[in-house]
Amino acid sequence: AQSVTQPDIHITVSEGASLELRCNYSYGATPYLFWYVQSPGQGLQLLLKYFSGDTLVQGIKGFEAEFKRSQSSFNLRKPSVHWSDAAEYFCAVGAWTSGSARQLTFGSGTQLTVLP
Amino acid sequence: DVKVTQSSRYLVKRTGEKVFLECVQDMDHENMFWYRQDPGLGLRLIYFSYDVKMKEKGDIPEGYSVSREKKERFSLILESASTNQTSMYLCASSFPPPGGSYQPQHFGDGTRLSIL
Repeated sequence: AQSVTQPDIHITVSEGASLELRCNYSYGATPYLFWYVQSPGQGLQLLLKYFSGDTLVQGIKGFEAEFKRSQSSFNLRKPSVHWSDAAEYFCAVGAWTSGSARQLTFGSGTQLTVLP
Repeated sequence: DVKVTQSSRYLVKRTGEKVFLECVQDMDHENMFWYRQDPGLGLRLIYFSYDVKMKEKGDIPEGYSVSREKKERFSLILESASTNQTSMYLCASSFPPPGGSYQPQHFGDGTRLSIL
């Protein structure tokens, strides 16, 4: 069965600083990988996804993530954090299930605090 | 834009009550999902459906059932609510993956359910 580990429960950065959120996955086949963001009181919004091809993927809001098969990692990065980036971030891996639905397995999330 | 609407943002019920959580999507998606979100545990899949009247158990189906009578609506039912079902519930929908690829899931804003 697939699994996702986000080792950092809470990260604090200053506005304008760079950011890296870690994600490690376990999956037997080629993974479909995602990062979602959840602002307070909101649902999840897709930031970016990796299916195949270029291992560096660009997303919305200036985020990018790099897939490293040898390390089973899919870390999220942003060169300069804005106060509005404060939120909870979830990494997820997609796996086939019955029918035609592709099930997502989520990590436990990383809460990002941005200091002024 | 895809719209996934959950009928209630906040709900308070009593132990033993039968509770209905409703979710409606407006994008003609075949797949619909119910998750619960708890601090430190991320999102866990309760049930999903890949077609009308079709349903599949997720990772934590115990104490829950679902109903999908129409394509756009997916209901989560707590047959006899218990305090350990106090949580945030998130609904999501997606198209089925064409040709083996993946279609992202779109999330509602969530229902925060308290069982007293």
